Amino acid sequence: EDQVTQSPEALRLQEGESSSLNCSYTVSGLRGLFWYRQDPGKGPEFLFTLYSAGEEKEKERLKATLTKKESFLHITAPKPEDSATYLCAVRSTGTASKLTFGTGTRLQVTL
Amino acid sequence: EPEVTQTPSHQVTQMGQEVILRCVPISNHLYFYWYRQILGQKVEFLVSFYNNEISEKSEIFDDQFSVERPDGSNFTLKIRSTKLEDSAMYFCASSVLRDTQYFGPGTRLTVL
Repeated sequence: EDQVTQSPEALRLQEGESSSLNCSYTVSGLRGLFWYRQDPGKGPEFLFTLYSAGEEKEKERLKATLTKKESFLHITAPKPEDSATYLCAVRSTGTASKLTFGTGTRLQVTL
Repeated sequence: EPEVTQTPSHQVTQMGQEVILRCVPISNHLYFYWYRQILGQKVEFLVSFYNNEISEKSEIFDDQFSVERPDGSNFTLKIRSTKLEDSAMYFCASSVLRDTQYFGPGTRLTVL
């Protein structure tokens, strides 16, 4: 069974204070690892897809990296508008198309 | 930018009643999905749909649930006889291939 574990559960940063969120996964074979952002009461908003170890993707202040066992979402010089829950999900070779999600990291960025 | 839309945004129903949640996926997408998120918990997969049939479903998706693509644009989730534990946010998603899934804003279902 596919498993996704995210840490920390919650993170509070000051504006400009860079940090990383972790996503550890256990799958039979990885078909894709996905990062989403979720605001309260809203649907997950797609950020990145990573397919193989060593791959990196970047968008504004966010950078996602992937190893064989985990992924990191690096946030550089965050702003208050980056406050949200960040979700990690995997699609494995053991399934047709379903995504298995972690519980997310709740990020709060203060002035 | 194209997006997935869902209606209604909030549905309140009595236990035992049938509900239909509606979704309009992104127009050139071929795969459609339903997920749910109980308050404070993780997003959970319910079902995927391709070429007018279910391609995968979870243990949650029992006989009380069904999906349909009644026309070229809508994708629906029906719950035949709602239970208290069906209260959750229901998200529709779509993808071009079995790849990046784009989610709608969700329907909050409250079962009383």
